[in-house]
Amino acid sequence: GENVEQHPSTLSVQEGDSAVIKCTYSDSASNYFPWYKQELGKRPQLIIDIRSNVGEKKDQRIAVTLNKTAKHFSLHITETQPEDSAVYFCAASSMEYGNKLVFGAGTILRVKS
Amino acid sequence: SQTIHQWPATLVQPVGSPLSLECTVEGTSNPNLYWYRQAAGRGLQLLFYSVGIGQISSEVPQNLSASRPQDRQFILSSKKLLLSDSGFYLCAWSAGGREYDTQYFGPGTRLTVL
Repeated sequence: GENVEQHPSTLSVQEGDSAVIKCTYSDSASNYFPWYKQELGKRPQLIIDIRSNVGEKKDQRIAVTLNKTAKHFSLHITETQPEDSAVYFCAASSMEYGNKLVFGAGTILRVKS
Repeated sequence: SQTIHQWPATLVQPVGSPLSLECTVEGTSNPNLYWYRQAAGRGLQLLFYSVGIGQISSEVPQNLSASRPQDRQFILSSKKLLLSDSGFYLCAWSAGGREYDTQYFGPGTRLTVL
Protein backbone atom coordinates (compact mmCIF):
# COMPACT_ATOMS: atom_id res chain seq x y z
CA GLY A 1 0.00 0.00 0.00
CA GLU A 2 0.87 3.67 -0.10
CA ASN A 3 3.33 5.18 2.37
CA VAL A 4 3.83 8.93 2.81
CA GLU A 5 6.85 10.38 4.58
CA GLN A 6 6.91 14.02 5.63
CA HIS A 7 9.87 16.21 6.60
CA PRO A 8 10.78 18.05 8.71
CA SER A 9 8.75 17.12 11.78
CA THR A 10 9.22 20.62 13.20
CA LEU A 11 10.16 23.85 11.47
CA SER A 12 10.84 27.25 13.02
CA VAL A 13 11.12 30.32 10.83
CA GLN A 14 11.28 34.04 11.37
CA GLU A 15 8.25 36.05 10.39
CA GLY A 16 8.57 37.08 6.75
CA ASP A 17 10.80 34.16 5.80
CA SER A 18 9.73 31.24 3.61
CA ALA A 19 8.87 27.75 4.82
CA VAL A 20 9.13 24.52 2.83
CA ILE A 21 7.68 21.15 3.83
CA LYS A 22 8.47 18.07 1.78
CA CYS A 23 6.64 14.77 1.34
CA THR A 24 7.52 11.62 -0.54
CA TYR A 25 5.12 8.86 -1.55
CA SER A 26 5.72 5.27 -2.56
CA ASP A 27 2.86 4.30 -4.88
CA SER A 28 3.12 5.59 -8.45
CA ALA A 29 -0.66 5.12 -8.80
CA SER A 30 -1.29 8.03 -6.40
CA ASN A 31 -2.67 10.97 -8.33
CA TYR A 32 -4.11 13.43 -5.80
CA PHE A 33 -2.11 15.30 -3.16
CA PRO A 34 -3.89 17.59 -0.69
CA TRP A 35 -2.35 19.64 2.12
CA TYR A 36 -4.16 20.31 5.38
CA LYS A 37 -3.50 22.88 8.10
CA GLN A 38 -4.51 22.07 11.67
CA GLU A 39 -4.49 24.76 14.33
CA LEU A 40 -4.35 23.72 17.96
CA GLY A 41 -7.58 22.00 19.01
CA LYS A 42 -9.23 22.50 15.62
CA ARG A 43 -10.07 20.33 12.66
CA PRO A 44 -7.65 19.88 9.73
CA GLN A 45 -8.57 22.26 6.94
CA LEU A 46 -7.67 21.89 3.29
CA ILE A 47 -5.38 24.70 2.20
CA ILE A 48 -4.28 23.57 -1.24
CA ASP A 49 -4.21 20.44 -3.37
CA ILE A 50 -2.59 19.29 -6.59
CA ARG A 51 -3.47 16.66 -9.16
CA SER A 52 -0.96 14.44 -10.86
CA ASN A 53 -1.39 16.15 -14.25
CA VAL A 54 -0.16 19.46 -12.80
CA GLY A 55 3.40 20.34 -11.76
CA GLU A 56 2.72 23.41 -9.65
CA LYS A 57 -0.20 25.28 -8.15
CA LYS A 58 -0.28 28.61 -6.35
CA ASP A 59 -2.77 30.35 -4.11
CA GLN A 60 -1.53 33.71 -2.84
CA ARG A 61 1.35 32.96 -0.41
CA ILE A 62 0.98 29.19 -0.70
CA ALA A 63 2.27 26.97 -3.49
CA VAL A 64 2.61 23.24 -4.01
CA THR A 65 4.96 21.51 -6.42
CA LEU A 66 4.82 17.92 -7.60
CA ASN A 67 7.58 15.78 -9.10
CA LYS A 68 5.96 12.55 -10.27
CA THR A 69 9.22 11.01 -11.44
CA ALA A 70 10.83 11.39 -8.04
CA LYS A 71 7.50 10.81 -6.25
CA HIS A 72 7.70 13.85 -4.04
CA PHE A 73 5.67 16.99 -3.49
CA SER A 74 6.32 20.10 -1.44
CA LEU A 75 4.42 22.92 0.24
CA HIS A 76 5.91 26.39 0.00
CA ILE A 77 4.73 29.26 2.19
CA THR A 78 6.19 32.68 1.46
CA GLU A 79 6.22 35.77 3.68
CA THR A 80 5.24 33.72 6.71
CA GLN A 81 3.06 35.28 9.38
CA PRO A 82 2.41 34.25 13.00
CA GLU A 83 -1.03 32.94 11.99
CA ASP A 84 0.70 30.39 9.75
CA SER A 85 1.83 28.61 12.92
CA ALA A 86 0.08 25.23 12.93
CA VAL A 87 0.56 21.55 12.10
CA TYR A 88 0.62 20.81 8.38
CA PHE A 89 -0.26 17.39 6.93
CA CYS A 90 0.38 16.16 3.44
CA ALA A 91 -1.59 13.26 1.97
CA ALA A 92 -1.82 11.11 -1.14
CA SER A 93 -4.61 9.07 -2.69
CA SER A 94 -5.49 7.08 -5.79
CA MET A 95 -8.72 5.75 -7.27
CA GLU A 96 -7.05 2.35 -7.38
CA TYR A 97 -7.27 2.24 -3.59
CA GLY A 98 -10.71 3.78 -3.25
CA ASN A 99 -9.45 7.37 -2.89
CA LYS A 100 -8.54 6.81 0.75
CA LEU A 101 -6.08 9.43 1.91
CA VAL A 102 -2.75 8.30 3.31
CA PHE A 103 -1.37 11.06 5.53
CA GLY A 104 2.13 12.07 6.42
CA ALA A 105 3.03 12.35 10.10
CA GLY A 106 2.74 16.14 10.12
CA THR A 107 5.03 19.14 10.45
CA ILE A 108 4.78 21.61 13.32
CA LEU A 109 5.46 25.06 11.87
CA ARG A 110 6.35 27.86 14.28
CA VAL A 111 6.60 31.39 12.94
CA LYS A 112 8.51 33.64 15.32
CA SER A 113 7.69 37.32 15.35
CA SER B 1 -23.17 24.27 0.56
CA GLN B 2 -22.16 21.22 2.53
CA THR B 3 -21.87 21.14 6.30
CA ILE B 4 -20.61 18.40 8.59
CA HIS B 5 -21.60 18.14 12.24
CA GLN B 6 -20.22 16.08 15.07
CA TRP B 7 -21.44 15.63 18.60
CA PRO B 8 -20.73 15.75 21.34
CA ALA B 9 -17.84 18.22 21.12
CA THR B 10 -16.21 16.87 24.27
CA LEU B 11 -16.77 13.75 26.30
CA VAL B 12 -15.28 12.32 29.49
CA GLN B 13 -16.02 8.65 30.06
CA PRO B 14 -14.84 6.03 32.57
CA VAL B 15 -12.96 2.95 31.44
CA GLY B 16 -15.36 0.15 30.53
CA SER B 17 -18.26 2.43 29.64
CA PRO B 18 -19.94 2.45 26.21
CA LEU B 19 -19.42 5.09 23.55
CA SER B 20 -21.51 6.57 20.78
CA LEU B 21 -20.29 9.44 18.61
CA GLU B 22 -22.39 10.83 15.82
CA CYS B 23 -21.58 12.55 12.57
CA THR B 24 -24.03 14.00 10.06
CA VAL B 25 -23.52 15.71 6.74
CA GLU B 26 -25.85 18.22 5.13
CA GLY B 27 -26.08 19.49 1.59
CA THR B 28 -24.93 16.40 -0.28
CA SER B 29 -26.16 12.90 -1.00
CA ASN B 30 -24.41 9.53 -0.98
CA PRO B 31 -21.13 10.88 0.41
CA ASN B 32 -18.16 8.76 1.39
CA LEU B 33 -17.78 9.01 5.17
CA TYR B 34 -14.70 8.46 7.32
CA TRP B 35 -13.78 8.18 10.99
CA TYR B 36 -10.27 9.18 12.08
CA ARG B 37 -8.61 9.22 15.48
CA GLN B 38 -5.83 11.59 16.45
CA ALA B 39 -3.91 10.91 19.65
CA ALA B 40 -2.44 13.94 21.40
CA GLY B 41 0.36 15.43 19.33
CA ARG B 42 0.09 12.71 16.73
CA GLY B 43 -1.08 12.15 13.18
CA LEU B 44 -4.39 11.04 11.68
CA GLN B 45 -5.30 7.37 11.91
CA LEU B 46 -8.12 6.16 9.64
CA LEU B 47 -10.46 3.91 11.61
CA PHE B 48 -13.43 3.27 9.30
CA TYR B 49 -14.79 4.41 5.99
CA SER B 50 -18.11 3.95 4.25
CA VAL B 51 -19.19 4.34 0.64
CA GLY B 52 -22.89 3.79 1.32
CA ILE B 53 -25.60 2.82 3.81
CA GLY B 54 -24.61 -0.31 5.67
CA GLN B 55 -21.22 -0.52 3.92
CA ILE B 56 -18.40 -0.19 6.44
CA SER B 57 -14.72 -0.97 5.99
CA SER B 58 -12.47 -1.25 9.01
CA GLU B 59 -8.88 -0.14 8.75
CA VAL B 60 -7.62 -1.01 12.23
CA PRO B 61 -8.84 -3.95 14.35
CA GLN B 62 -9.86 -2.66 17.79
CA ASN B 63 -12.74 -2.43 20.20
CA LEU B 64 -14.50 0.22 18.11
CA SER B 65 -17.23 -0.27 15.52
CA ALA B 66 -19.00 1.99 13.05
CA SER B 67 -22.44 2.05 11.51
CA ARG B 68 -24.18 4.03 8.81
CA PRO B 69 -27.90 3.77 9.40
CA GLN B 70 -28.77 6.62 7.04
CA ASP B 71 -27.16 8.10 3.95
CA ARG B 72 -25.67 11.11 5.75
CA GLN B 73 -25.23 9.70 9.24
CA PHE B 74 -22.14 7.91 10.53
CA ILE B 75 -21.85 6.55 14.07
CA LEU B 76 -18.78 5.39 15.97
CA SER B 77 -19.41 3.05 18.90
CA SER B 78 -17.71 1.00 21.54
CA LYS B 79 -19.14 -1.42 24.07
CA LYS B 80 -16.29 -0.95 26.56
CA LEU B 81 -13.85 1.95 26.40
CA LEU B 82 -10.13 1.53 27.10
CA LEU B 83 -7.73 4.20 28.32
CA SER B 84 -6.04 4.03 24.92
CA ASP B 85 -9.28 5.14 23.24
CA SER B 86 -8.68 8.71 24.42
CA GLY B 87 -8.12 11.12 21.58
CA PHE B 88 -9.60 13.54 19.09
CA TYR B 89 -12.16 11.80 16.85
CA LEU B 90 -12.71 13.35 13.47
CA CYS B 91 -15.40 12.54 10.96
CA ALA B 92 -14.82 13.46 7.33
CA TRP B 93 -16.81 13.34 4.13
CA SER B 94 -16.04 13.33 0.43
CA ALA B 95 -18.20 13.31 -2.65
CA GLY B 96 -16.93 9.91 -3.78
CA GLY B 97 -17.04 8.40 -7.23
CA ARG B 98 -14.57 10.77 -8.80
CA GLU B 99 -10.89 10.66 -9.62
CA TYR B 100 -9.84 13.49 -7.29
CA ASP B 101 -11.84 13.12 -4.10
CA THR B 102 -11.30 15.85 -1.49
CA GLN B 103 -12.07 15.06 2.13
CA TYR B 104 -13.53 17.68 4.47
CA PHE B 105 -13.34 17.25 8.22
CA GLY B 106 -15.92 17.85 10.90
CA PRO B 107 -15.17 19.84 14.08
CA GLY B 108 -14.24 16.71 16.02
CA THR B 109 -15.05 15.13 19.39
CA ARG B 110 -12.44 15.23 22.11
CA LEU B 111 -12.75 12.02 24.15
CA THR B 112 -11.04 11.51 27.48
CA VAL B 113 -11.23 8.07 29.05
CA LEU B 114 -10.42 8.02 32.77
